[in-house]
Amino acid sequence: EPEVTQTPSHQVTQMGQEVILRCVPISNHLYFYWYRQILGQKVEFLVSFYNNEISEKSEIFDDQFSVERPDGSNFTLKIRSTKLEDSAMYFCASSEARQGNTIYFGEGSWLTVV
Amino acid sequence: GNSVTQMEGPVTLSEEAFLTINCTYTATGYPSLFWYVQYPGEGLQLLLKATKADDKGSNKGFEATYRKETTSFHLEKGSVQVSDSAVYFCALSSNTGNQFYFGTGTSLTVIP
Repeated sequence: EPEVTQTPSHQVTQMGQEVILRCVPISNHLYFYWYRQILGQKVEFLVSFYNNEISEKSEIFDDQFSVERPDGSNFTLKIRSTKLEDSAMYFCASSEARQGNTIYFGEGSWLTVV
Repeated sequence: GNSVTQMEGPVTLSEEAFLTINCTYTATGYPSLFWYVQYPGEGLQLLLKATKADDKGSNKGFEATYRKETTSFHLEKGSVQVSDSAVYFCALSSNTGNQFYFGTGTSLTVIP
């Protein structure tokens, strides 16, 4: 069964460093997402991406964050200058369409900022 | 706005016990409703979904019915197994946007 894959599974970085989290969405999907889950808290929406541009973003997704689809398969989340509070599990997801369509999640990238 | 309120955990049950995890929602428009499950060390997996009122989603013995009148989507299973131990997330997808709104998750532990 096709799946969303994410790398790395775990990354430790120093505060202030840049981090890039990578994702390969399901190949025929058109909508891509990033969510995050701080330990013990709810899963929060960060951003959605369609047709090579951001279609929606939350207030969490500030200027420190950016997303990119550098080629036909990868979808990346960059955190420009990490803060301690960015420590979380980051989930990439994709869907065929919007508005009620099921989204499929990757296994997550656990980011620890020290 | 859109939000999901989910029963607080953790929940501990004996094998073969009946499970209910409550979920209520607030939404604009006509949302689709989902239950996702997160097994230890893994990502979020779709468990079941319902896209309109009175629909029942079911999978692996789990069921949930979309109740518009009570704005609820409670998850039930008649006889839980140890392998059902996981965190369960209720979620909604509004038909006015393309993001999901998740509940806080309910941790379930099933003991033999």
